[in-house]
Amino acid sequence: AQSVSQHNHHVILSEAASLELGCNYSYGGTVNLFWYVQYPGQHLQLLLKYFSGDPLVKGIKGFEAEFIKSKFSFNLRKPSVQWSDTAEYFCAVKSRNNNDMRFGAGTRLTVKP
Amino acid sequence: GAGVSQSPSNKVTEKGKDVELRCDPISGHTALYWYRQRLGQGLEFLIYFQGNSAPDKSGLPSDRFSAERTGESVSTLTIQRTQQEDSAVYLCASSLSLSGTGELFFGEGSRLTVL
Repeated sequence: AQSVSQHNHHVILSEAASLELGCNYSYGGTVNLFWYVQYPGQHLQLLLKYFSGDPLVKGIKGFEAEFIKSKFSFNLRKPSVQWSDTAEYFCAVKSRNNNDMRFGAGTRLTVKP
Repeated sequence: GAGVSQSPSNKVTEKGKDVELRCDPISGHTALYWYRQRLGQGLEFLIYFQGNSAPDKSGLPSDRFSAERTGESVSTLTIQRTQQEDSAVYLCASSLSLSGTGELFFGEGSRLTVL
C-alpha cells in the first residue's frame, strides 16, 4: 500500500505570509492526490485534488498544489495566508487501481493575526 | 442521506467494555473507510470496504477491532475489551466506485473516551 509523508507537523505564520506545506508519497503505480482541510471543530473537507493533466491544480480559498512526479511530491501553497486558514491540513494519496486512500499525519497551521 | 452519518457522536465507556460504532454512508457510494484520529495526531487508516470485495483490514491495530458492512450500506466498527489507548475520534468516509472522482466524504466522527 502507498504511504504519505508530511514533513511539517506544526507551522506558525503571520497573516500575509506565504505558505508551502510539503507532501511526499511512496507508491509505484498511478495515483490520485488530494489535500483535505479540517478547520477547528469541523469535519474534514476537500481542498483540492489532482487526477491528470496540468500538474498545477487550484483549489478553494486561493490554495494550489503542484504535482512533481519525479519527486513523488504534491506540495500545497498559498501566496498570502489569512487568520481563517488556521486549520489542520492532510495530504492523501489514492491508488488508481483500487480505492485504497492513505493520509499523511497532517500539518497544523496556525496563522497569527 | 445527504451526507455520511455516524453514531454515536460521543461515547464514554469503561475499560474492558465492548463498543460498537455505526456509519451510514452516502447512498450509492460503494467504498467505505474507517480511520482513527487520536488527539493531536493524523488519520490512521483502519479498514476499507469496496463493494462486495474482501475488505482491506491491514490497518486494524489488533484483533480486538473488527468491522462489518452489509452490501453497500451501513458499516459497524466494533472494539472489544476497550483500552484507554483506544480513546480517539473514529472517522468514517465514503466514496464513489473506482470510476468516480475518488473524493472521500467524511462524517462528523464518533468520539470514544475509555475511562
